[in-house]
Amino acid sequence: DTAVSQTPKYLVTQMGNDKSIKCEQNLGHDTMYWYKQDSKKFLKIMFSYNNKELIINETVPNRFSPKSPDKAHLNLHINSLELGDSAVYFCASSQETAVGGYTFGSGTRLTVV
Amino acid sequence: AQSVTQPDIHITVSEGASLELRCNYSYGATPYLFWYVQSPGQGLQLLLKYFSGDTLVQGIKGFEAEFKRSQSSFNLRKPSVHWSDAAEYFCAVGIYGGSQGNLIFGKGTKLSVKP
Repeated sequence: DTAVSQTPKYLVTQMGNDKSIKCEQNLGHDTMYWYKQDSKKFLKIMFSYNNKELIINETVPNRFSPKSPDKAHLNLHINSLELGDSAVYFCASSQETAVGGYTFGSGTRLTVV
Repeated sequence: AQSVTQPDIHITVSEGASLELRCNYSYGATPYLFWYVQSPGQGLQLLLKYFSGDTLVQGIKGFEAEFKRSQSSFNLRKPSVHWSDAAEYFCAVGIYGGSQGNLIFGKGTKLSVKP
């Protein structure tokens, strides 16, 4: 059983399109996150949700909108995709305080052409 | 501001040799520190973590790390590297306030292993 699963694993799309990435965790964690890993492997937090409530919203374009229908799911919707959005997006989850560390999904490689 | 520095972008070691990956952090309070490993095309896997207590922590895959408050460091070590250890390694510091938690990552160190 995969603890944190993301779909799709690969996503190739044209500029201007709208796409979604789905994430589900079966660990019973309260908090979920989206991280972006750029071409230089740098990981930066984008969003954090705790029990379906947005906690962290870093400076990302408002074309990116997270949606959490329940605490086991955190989806990422991206409107009007741009070339610079190409990256690997990781979903992660943790217990509320995150002191145990995060459990990461295997990532979604987004390529915008 | 909180930050994590991994001074070495790329390290190459011979199989069977010892390894030390450096990590320095900047954080005003007692840090929660983590090391993650990312194999090519994979997600991040937690190797070990430090919260308090013994400053030498043991992790999975034979890795260990030592917290040195005076040097603001949390270096990762392994006595004998295996070819399967080739991967990207990330050090992270946990920032916590109330119900809000966030991991700040270093930029990673790529480990290559020579046969």
